[in-house]
Amino acid sequence: DTGVSQDPRHKITKRGQNVTFRCDPISEHNRLYWYRQTLGQGPEFLTYFQNEAQLEKSRLLSDRFSAERPKGSFSTLEIQRTEQGDSAMYLCASGGPYEQYFGPGTRLTVT
Amino acid sequence: KQEVTQIPAALSVPEGENLVLNCSFTDSAIYNLQWFRQDPGKGLTSLLLIQSSQREQTSGRLNASLDKSSGRSTLYIAASQPGDSATYLCAGLWGYQKVTFGTGTKLQVIP
Repeated sequence: DTGVSQDPRHKITKRGQNVTFRCDPISEHNRLYWYRQTLGQGPEFLTYFQNEAQLEKSRLLSDRFSAERPKGSFSTLEIQRTEQGDSAMYLCASGGPYEQYFGPGTRLTVT
Repeated sequence: KQEVTQIPAALSVPEGENLVLNCSFTDSAIYNLQWFRQDPGKGLTSLLLIQSSQREQTSGRLNASLDKSSGRSTLYIAASQPGDSATYLCAGLWGYQKVTFGTGTKLQVIP
C-alpha cells in the first residue's frame, strides 16, 4: 500500500493522559500536514512540515500539542494532558502544491 | 484568507433524484478544488479533484465543476441511491499551503 497511513485508527484515553499518533506519508512527498476534525465540522489545519522542518502552526495547536517529523519521514503528533475537547478525528496528509493525499485518520475519544 | 462555504448544511432527497451540492470559495487563485465523501466516524474518501486549468471532472454518476471567476464549484450526483448518504466536503488548495475545507453537506437519500 503506497498511500498515507496512520496509527492507531482509534484511541480511547482518560482525561489527563498523554497520547501519540503516527503518520507515514507517501514516500516521495516532502510535505506533511496535520488536520483536526471535530464533530459536525470540516477538518481544520493544525501544522505542516517540509522535510523535518515545521513551517507553520495553527493557533489551534495549543502548548499541549507537539508535532515532530524526525529525518523528514514519518511524523508524530503528541497531545499531553488530554482534555475532553481534544476528542476529534486527527487527519494526516502528504503532497505538494497541486494535491494532498489524506490518510484514514485517528479517532481520539477522551473520557 | 481563503474561505470555503457549503450550503445547505443538510439535504434530504428521495432515491433516484438527481441533485447538486454547492461549494463557494473566496480566492479565485485556487490550485485545485477537491470533493470528498465522509461516512459517520470515518476518514475522507476522495471523489473528484479539479485542477485550476480544468472546468469539470466526471466519475461514474458524479460530475464536479469548477468556476474560478465566480468562486463556485458544484457536485452533481445522478440517480441518487441510499448508499450515497454521507457528508460531502469540498476543499480548496491554494499552492503550498493548507487545504481549506468547507463544513460539509450532510446528504440523506431516502429509499
